[in-house]
Amino acid sequence: DIQMTQSPSSLSASVGDRVTITCRASQSISSYLNWYQQKPGKAPKLLIYAASSLQSGVPSRFSGSGSGTDFTLTISSLEPEDFATYYCQQSYSTPRTFGQGTKLEIK
Amino acid sequence: QVQLQQWGAGLLKPSETLSLTCAVYGGSFSSYYWSWIRQPPGKGLEWIGEVNHSGSTNYNPSLKSRVTISVDTSKNQFSLKLSSVTAADTAVYYCARGYSGSYYERGSYYYYYYMDVWGKGTTVTVSS
Repeated sequence: DIQMTQSPSSLSASVGDRVTITCRASQSISSYLNWYQQKPGKAPKLLIYAASSLQSGVPSRFSGSGSGTDFTLTISSLEPEDFATYYCQQSYSTPRTFGQGTKLEIK
Repeated sequence: QVQLQQWGAGLLKPSETLSLTCAVYGGSFSSYYWSWIRQPPGKGLEWIGEVNHSGSTNYNPSLKSRVTISVDTSKNQFSLKLSSVTAADTAVYYCARGYSGSYYERGSYYYYYYMDVWGKGTTVTVSS
């Protein structure tokens, strides 16, 4: 199985801050990397696919980059509704593994 | 607007079989993969497996001996069965639509797969 490791596991930030979350794969996954946002009691929501493609309807303050084993999710200017947990997921091979999550909290 | 509606028993005893169904409304059934993902209380997401419209499946090896995912194309539904459940199977179970595609950019093709439509989740508790 491909292991996905996110850092940090938790993060405190303020509205308007620029935030970056990192995801590392245990082997090369090309650009088969997705990012999801999950709010308490809700299903995950797709933000970014293919490492850097913005899903339709997702605000442009979200962006993704990387290829191979190292990837980042950046939120350029935090809005109140962005405080949530973020997961990366590799879709290079099955099982389609997720990172452990990064909880983004209000400072 | 595609919607996934899921249902199934929410309380099971150890050794029983978990059974959940997910219905697809408002979109094509044949062009996608159909997945199950679970999330134990306070923990992260675990991919269980997927099925396509022809019944071809992929399973997480950690659960493969206990999992069956099947499809009923006449009803646009797919189902999850997990046998011999224990307390460790207590989780919120989600169904989701998986899509694979490609794009061409700067002289190269790029391939992708993502899960873009999710059900609301079903809480399953295993307790004696």
